[in-house]
Amino acid sequence: AQKVTQAQTEISVVEKEDVTLDCVYETRDTTYYLFWYKQPPSGELVFLIRRNSFDEQNEISGRYSWNFQKSTSSFNFTITASQVVDSAVYFCALSGGGSSGTDKLIFGTGTRLQVFP
Amino acid sequence: DADVTQTPRNRITKTGKRIMLECSQTKGHDRMYWYRQDPGLGLRLIYYSFDVKDINKGEISDGYSVSRQAQAKFSLSLESAIPNQTALYFCATSRGTGMGEETQYFGPGTRLLVL
Repeated sequence: AQKVTQAQTEISVVEKEDVTLDCVYETRDTTYYLFWYKQPPSGELVFLIRRNSFDEQNEISGRYSWNFQKSTSSFNFTITASQVVDSAVYFCALSGGGSSGTDKLIFGTGTRLQVFP
Repeated sequence: DADVTQTPRNRITKTGKRIMLECSQTKGHDRMYWYRQDPGLGLRLIYYSFDVKDINKGEISDGYSVSRQAQAKFSLSLESAIPNQTALYFCATSRGTGMGEETQYFGPGTRLLVL
């Protein structure tokens, strides 16, 4: 069975601190995809990144970076120099590969990040 | 204009009432999904549709039904609403190749309160 675990329910930091959100996944698929979504206080879900299981290169986008490690089944998300606008709930999600035949997303329970000025 | 729209955005209803949530998309995607979000539980899949003729149950389909009226429209119905269906409901779309790599794009959500 597929599963995504976000053990950090809530994190609070002060502006300009770096923060890492953890994501651990379980799957038997050899091909799979990992995603991060952001849900700001307004409620919508915003797509941040997609990573496939064959690409373990880390990704950086501005203040955001992602560390994918198959050896530990983790796909962690780091925000550098956090800002108040980063306050949101962040979801990690997993999509099975061809063996599941669908694009169904399995979501973690989310991590609420609060950035204080 | 938003690519994925949901109506209504907020709804209050009473136990036993029938209610329909609607989703429309202009992305030209074949696949559409309905999820519900409950505090502390993340998002859970209710139903999904690969095309107009193909509808599938998700993880928590009991108490819900869906209709795919066209490629661009996917409606979720609660035939007899109950209080534990109070949640935030999301519609999503993806281009869909069956290989799992397609990103799902979400609508703005509908907040439903069942009294």
